[in-house]
Amino acid sequence: QVQMVESGGGLVKSGGSLRLSCVASGFSFSDYYMSWSRQAPGKGLDWISYISTSGSQTNYADSVKGRFTISRDNAKNLLHLQINNLRVEDTAVYYCARGVLVGATFAYFDNWGQGTLVTVSS
Amino acid sequence: SYELTQPPSVSVSPGQTARITCSGDALPKQYAYWYQQRPGQAPILVIFKDSQRPSGIPERFSGSSSGTTVSLTITGVQAEDEADYYCQSADSSGTYKVFGGGTKLTVL
Repeated sequence: QVQMVESGGGLVKSGGSLRLSCVASGFSFSDYYMSWSRQAPGKGLDWISYISTSGSQTNYADSVKGRFTISRDNAKNLLHLQINNLRVEDTAVYYCARGVLVGATFAYFDNWGQGTLVTVSS
Repeated sequence: SYELTQPPSVSVSPGQTARITCSGDALPKQYAYWYQQRPGQAPILVIFKDSQRPSGIPERFSGSSSGTTVSLTITGVQAEDEADYYCQSADSSGTYKVFGGGTKLTVL
């Protein structure tokens, strides 16, 4: 079955960096767009970024542009999120999700991982 | 930035019908999607492209669209449906994905 497992979260000081990873299984990883979203404690979902099948196309929410970098390794079924200059407001559970296109446009998320918690302290 | 607006909470008794709305200016142009999130769990897709139901999602879940508002309807609500529900769509260009603020469904 389709499965995504995130890792790499933890407690980091403000200004630090983290690299989150998501290993996918149960489907042909290289055929799907992939994405990251996050959820601050007690808050709603926020979309962060998506990446095309080859990795040649990426897109980011304005709130993270310039600090977050999404990438993928299709040979290893891995999705990554590099987060630099962490802020207290980046504290959240980070979810990876498989993307679905409508027409030629990335549209929605059909399967989600269980998430990894990032806590940023001041 | 573009926003989708949902009511913070909806309450219904078991067996009744729950309707959750989501409003946004670009909804006449962009499809809407709905996710269910139970406490401590990952989101699950329950409706895609306004009104289509993924395999494995019970028939009591349905979606509809009218102008700038889309709706998720749960007919014959069960206790297990108690969860947070999020709509999701995109801005008018389709570039940026957006979630609504979420609606907590309470089954009385």
